[in-house]
Amino acid sequence: GQNIDQPTEMTATEGAIVQINCTYQTSGFNGLFWYQQHAGEAPTFLSYNVLDGLEEKGRFSSFLSRSKGYSYLLLKELQMKDSASYLCASMDSNYQLIWGAGTKLIIKP
Amino acid sequence: ETGVTQTPRHLVMGMTNKKSLKCEQHLGHNAMYWYKQSAKKPLELMFVYNFKEQTENNSVPSRFSPECPNSSHLFLHLHTLQPEDSALYLCASSQDLGQPSYEQYFGPGTRLTVT
Repeated sequence: GQNIDQPTEMTATEGAIVQINCTYQTSGFNGLFWYQQHAGEAPTFLSYNVLDGLEEKGRFSSFLSRSKGYSYLLLKELQMKDSASYLCASMDSNYQLIWGAGTKLIIKP
Repeated sequence: ETGVTQTPRHLVMGMTNKKSLKCEQHLGHNAMYWYKQSAKKPLELMFVYNFKEQTENNSVPSRFSPECPNSSHLFLHLHTLQPEDSALYLCASSQDLGQPSYEQYFGPGTRLTVT
């Protein structure tokens, strides 16, 4: 079957670094997406990885290991506005996104 | 503002009512999607349209009926819903299907409560 696993909730301190892990198992693989969703708002695209390695985009970086079925999202210099849910999604061979349940990130001062 | 709008933002309906959700995208995209988001559960893909043609129907009950009159508009018609259908219904669009790097743009969702 197809499955995406990510932690339900994480807590971090303002100014710190946090890593949100995601493991995936899908029928075929066409890339790994990360989205951010603030409470009551639409999910917004953060990153897309299809090749192994680290992609850096400002304070946010995303890593992929296809052989391990593993990805992580790294958030640096955390700000209060980073409090949100972070959704991991794998695109399968039919180009459909298979979603995780999301990781709620709580930032404390 | 993502370029995808949804109305209404909130909807309360009885199990015998008929209502419709509307989605409009101003991005010139060709693919549109309906998702269901329940608390602490993964997003569930319900329907996919590409160039106005339905390409996916992921075993969604017939009490949900989609309509896509053109590439910019998508509707979800609701009738005789059940309380377990209460959820956030999200609409999304993307440039096309079959291109892995094309991210999806989401609307703010309709919070549906079935009483």
